[in-house]
Amino acid sequence: DVKVTQSSRYLVKRTGEKVFLECVQDMDHENMFWYRQDPGLGLRLIYFSYDVKMKEKGDIPEGYSVSREKKERFSLILESASTNQTSMYLCASSFASSGFQETQYFGPGTRLLVL
Amino acid sequence: QKEVEQNSGPLSVPEGAIASLNCTYSDRGSQSFFWYRQYSGKSPELIMFIYSNGDKEDGRFTAQLNKASQYVSLLIRDSQPSDSATYLCAVKEGDYKLSFGAGTTVTVRA
Repeated sequence: DVKVTQSSRYLVKRTGEKVFLECVQDMDHENMFWYRQDPGLGLRLIYFSYDVKMKEKGDIPEGYSVSREKKERFSLILESASTNQTSMYLCASSFASSGFQETQYFGPGTRLLVL
Repeated sequence: QKEVEQNSGPLSVPEGAIASLNCTYSDRGSQSFFWYRQYSGKSPELIMFIYSNGDKEDGRFTAQLNKASQYVSLLIRDSQPSDSATYLCAVKEGDYKLSFGAGTTVTVRA
């Protein structure tokens, strides 16, 4: 079974704080992703990484950065948290294969509240 | 970003009935399509994928794909209260990315 874990289920932070969200997968997946999910907006891709130290912007990268120093670990960083970054953050991973059936597996999510 | 559209619902069906969920997508070149189920407060979990035109059945779930119409659907037969969830349609973009619809919320009435 694919296992994707996230460092926290719930976080409460203050505006302006630097926030780190960590994600670890144990299936040797090459690709890792960070999404946020908001009611009515669905899943929106923030950043993804297809290899160690590689990163690509997703659809909403503003206000975020990422780090991937090891294959199994992908961190999302909120440089200066703002209230509009209150959301559910989901990490996912997948194999590098371009096969039709390759899909993403999600972690349990981190619900972040910025006050 | 490619568009993936779903009816937001909620879709309410009686127990034992068929729930029918629809999804349309904008990129004619898309090849792979996925249905995820998401229970309230939980993360999405894969139900099934489809990449050939026609029907694909897995237990009580049937995915239908029509690439000419850019349309993919999910049927849930003999709906159970445990099927009450939000169902996300996802379309693969290139080698890495998935574009997700906003989801359809299904409620199965006992």
